[in-house]
Amino acid sequence: ELKVEQNPLFLSMQEGKNYTIYCNYSTTSDRLYWYRQDPGKSLESLFVLLSNGAVKQEGRLMASLDTKARLSTLHITAAVHDLSATYFCAVDWDNNNDMRFGAGTRLTVKP
Amino acid sequence: EAGVTQFPSHSVIEKGQTVTLRCDPISGHDNLYWYRRVMGKEIKFLLHFVKESKQDESGMPNNRFLAERTGGTYSTLKVQPAELEDSGVYFCASSQVGGWKLFFGSGTQLSVL
Repeated sequence: ELKVEQNPLFLSMQEGKNYTIYCNYSTTSDRLYWYRQDPGKSLESLFVLLSNGAVKQEGRLMASLDTKARLSTLHITAAVHDLSATYFCAVDWDNNNDMRFGAGTRLTVKP
Repeated sequence: EAGVTQFPSHSVIEKGQTVTLRCDPISGHDNLYWYRRVMGKEIKFLLHFVKESKQDESGMPNNRFLAERTGGTYSTLKVQPAELEDSGVYFCASSQVGGWKLFFGSGTQLSVL
C-alpha cells in the first residue's frame, strides 16, 4: 500500500524565518503535488513536480523532488503571515491523478 | 469559469439516516474524483470516474457508500445508512483527461451524530 508521510504535522513559525516541510512516500512515482488549503476553502494547487531533481518556485515557496530518495520538500523562505494554511503533498501513484495525500502540515506564521 | 461546486457545504444527520452529496465538476472535465478527510487525518481517495464509468473505486470504504455519475456530468455520493465514523469532509475534484492539475471543490462537511 502506498504511504505518504509528511512532517512536521504542525509548524509554528516567526515571520521572517525559514523552514522546510518534508514529504516521504513509499512507492515509485515521478509525479508529486503540493497543495495549500485555507480553513473552509478548497485545496489550491501550488506545484506539480514531474521528474527527479525538479524544482519549482513561487514567491516564498520552493518545492523539490528526489525520486530516488522518494522525498519532496517544500521550503519556506522569510515566512509571512499570509502563508498560514495547511499544506498537503500528494503522490500520483499511477499517473492517472488517483492521488494519495499526506496528512497535511498545519502552518502558523506569527508576527 | 465556474469551479468545482459541491452541495451541501455542511450536513448534520443522525446515525442510520441517509445523506446524498453532490458534486458538479468543471464543464468539460471527464475525470471526477471523490476524496474524504476524517477528523484531521490524511485526505483519502475514494473513487475516480472517467465520464460515467468508475475507473477506480478501490478507496470506497464499504457498501454503505454508493457513487454515481449518470450522463458523465455531475456526481452524487450517497451514504446509507450513515455511521458515526463517516463524519468528515468529503471533497470532489475534477480534471481534464491527460491534464495534471486537479481542481477541488470546497468540500462537504458531514457530521453524523
